[in-house]
Amino acid sequence: EAQVTQNPRYLITVTGKKLTVTCSQNMNHEYMSWYRQDPGLGLRQIYYSMNVEVTDKGDVPEGYKVSRKEKRNFPLILESPSPNQTSLYFCASSYGRARTDTQYFGPGTRLTVL
Amino acid sequence: GNSVTQMEGPVTLSEEAFLTINCTYTATGYPSLFWYVQYPGEGLQLLLKATKADDKGSNKGFEATYRKETTSFHLEKGSVQVSDSAVYFCALNTGNQFYFGTGTSLTVIP
Repeated sequence: EAQVTQNPRYLITVTGKKLTVTCSQNMNHEYMSWYRQDPGLGLRQIYYSMNVEVTDKGDVPEGYKVSRKEKRNFPLILESPSPNQTSLYFCASSYGRARTDTQYFGPGTRLTVL
Repeated sequence: GNSVTQMEGPVTLSEEAFLTINCTYTATGYPSLFWYVQYPGEGLQLLLKATKADDKGSNKGFEATYRKETTSFHLEKGSVQVSDSAVYFCALNTGNQFYFGTGTSLTVIP
């Protein structure tokens, strides 16, 4: 089954404790992206990657890191989480970067930083 | 810049009522337009899309027409069901980036 998977689905942590949220897709997609979803703000892009070893900032990259060492995986790293990073996070992928391409989303990771 | 504005919710309708969720956009170039749906506890799923002016996207009884003259992509359904209760997101893709609206929550009551 074609899908985007994320782990963990739920995470509660404390300020400053490094964490990683994994994202994997099995569709051989080149383009992958991370979003955060906050009430009243919709989805905002954090980082995206156009291919292996190619990443770029989205609209809200501060406090986050990403890496793309393999085509299928695109982990999101919070080196020193803070409470304002409490949010619902989605990973997404698409075949490419054409304007007609559809993004496919993972199930989401709900992160709480205390 | 590029942006999407959609009507604020929440929207509550009775089963079999007519649904319209307004969406307007600002974009440079010729974006594609999308409607995504998010059911409780799940990720976003593509509902429909349109890739050029005057195209109509449709799926599961939902429709939306890409209107370049009014920069709109309103979502409609003639008769909603309880199972349509979800959050609906309008989005555009410029090829460089996806832009999403803030989402409209729909609740359909029996």
